[in-house]
Amino acid sequence: DAKTTQPPSMDCAEGRAANLPCNHSTISGNEYVYWYRQIHSQGPQYIIHGLKNNETNEMASLIITEDRKSSTLILPHATLRDTAVYYCIFNKFYFGSGTKLNVKP
Amino acid sequence: DAGITQSPRYKITETGRQVTLMCHQTWSHSYMFWYRQDLGHGLRLIYYSAAADITDKGEVPDGYVVSRSKTENFPLTLESATRSQTSVYFCASSESRGGVGRLSYNEQFFGPGTRLTVL
Repeated sequence: DAKTTQPPSMDCAEGRAANLPCNHSTISGNEYVYWYRQIHSQGPQYIIHGLKNNETNEMASLIITEDRKSSTLILPHATLRDTAVYYCIFNKFYFGSGTKLNVKP
Repeated sequence: DAGITQSPRYKITETGRQVTLMCHQTWSHSYMFWYRQDLGHGLRLIYYSAAADITDKGEVPDGYVVSRSKTENFPLTLESATRSQTSVYFCASSESRGGVGRLSYNEQFFGPGTRLTVL
């Protein structure tokens, strides 16, 4: 089963860190975790990926648990423009429903 | 222009008509994908292609046909449109890149979408 589990929605105050969890308990050892986001009705945008080590880029940080069954995407200083639906996937083809992140002033 | 484009951006058609949605990418990526996104829901994979002349079914392929005669183009055809195919259609492309050890990863680049309404 290639499905992930994410909370349907989360709120975050502007300027605070947004921590988005994802459960991917059926991931295999050779599959990457990918995060994408979709702002309004635009095409999804790649954010970050990781295998087993924590990763950081200019957009976000990715924390993967040691057993690789879950991960957390961290937006260190959320802005209003980060309001979007965030998707966590490990099978590169299958997106779930994602988490709607609402960043509030 | 470089990137991935879709045409048309908006399309209204009637039940039973044939409709073709176009997708073009300029990166020469090996992989291309078609997804549909129904109102308020996530993306579901319709078909994908690993290279020219190689295509495979995704989650929801029924009612759709694809072809890939050239690397840069991946058209999606609804042979006889139905109201249930009203949706936003996204095309994407990617290329396998070297990752940890021998494992590769794929970062997908998405087009702007085509909003299709079937009356």
